[in-house]
Amino acid sequence: GAGVSQSPSNKVTEKGKDVELRCDPISGHTALYWYRQSLGQGLEFLIYFQGNSAPDKSGLPSDRFSAERTGGSVSTLTIQRTQQEDSAVYLCASSRRTGGVQETQYFGPGTRLLVL
Amino acid sequence: AQSVSQHNHHVILSEAASLELGCNYSYGGTVNLFWYVQYPGQHLQLLLKYFSGDPLVKGIKGFEAEFIKSKFSFNLRKPSVQWSDTAEYFCAVNPPLRGSARQLTFGSGTQLTVLP
Repeated sequence: GAGVSQSPSNKVTEKGKDVELRCDPISGHTALYWYRQSLGQGLEFLIYFQGNSAPDKSGLPSDRFSAERTGGSVSTLTIQRTQQEDSAVYLCASSRRTGGVQETQYFGPGTRLLVL
Repeated sequence: AQSVSQHNHHVILSEAASLELGCNYSYGGTVNLFWYVQYPGQHLQLLLKYFSGDPLVKGIKGFEAEFIKSKFSFNLRKPSVQWSDTAEYFCAVNPPLRGSARQLTFGSGTQLTVLP
């Protein structure tokens, strides 16, 4: 079946502009995660959505970052007033939540963001 | 807070050599353990996982890993590497908590280069 998809695959923007990154999870997966992969920091968790529950925003690095998930499916990560240090690959992952605690996350191809 | 250490940043092997990549984690409770692989130009893919039971787990492409609880380790092994195994390998853990985010904590990654 189809995997996690993300768009755009690449984004170049100017410092100070806002950007929106999209993630379409695997159908039927209720849990959705955003991560960031950068040279200096490795892979870092940003935010988590599960169904209609309030998101866990504990990994967001600043209030310029926000995300929403509409209808329990597609998610959008928004970065306002982008800075050069926001340059990274933004990864989305989804998983099927069951009653148990064994959960495997499947990753999308990522959006490579470059802030000039 | 949990952390994951991958001590080998870059490993270079010849084809048919044996591979062992180290992974140690710091966490006081039960964990789920994963190895992901990122081939050049591709997205993160699951190689293998451990939730419970037999501490020796087998994954795709002939890889295996052994969970040693007393050493907080989850080392990845392959008896004979191929040129196509050239990739970056990430160890990751998450706590099997109910009703909350189970974001992955990743190691810094090990770049494996296999010479033909």
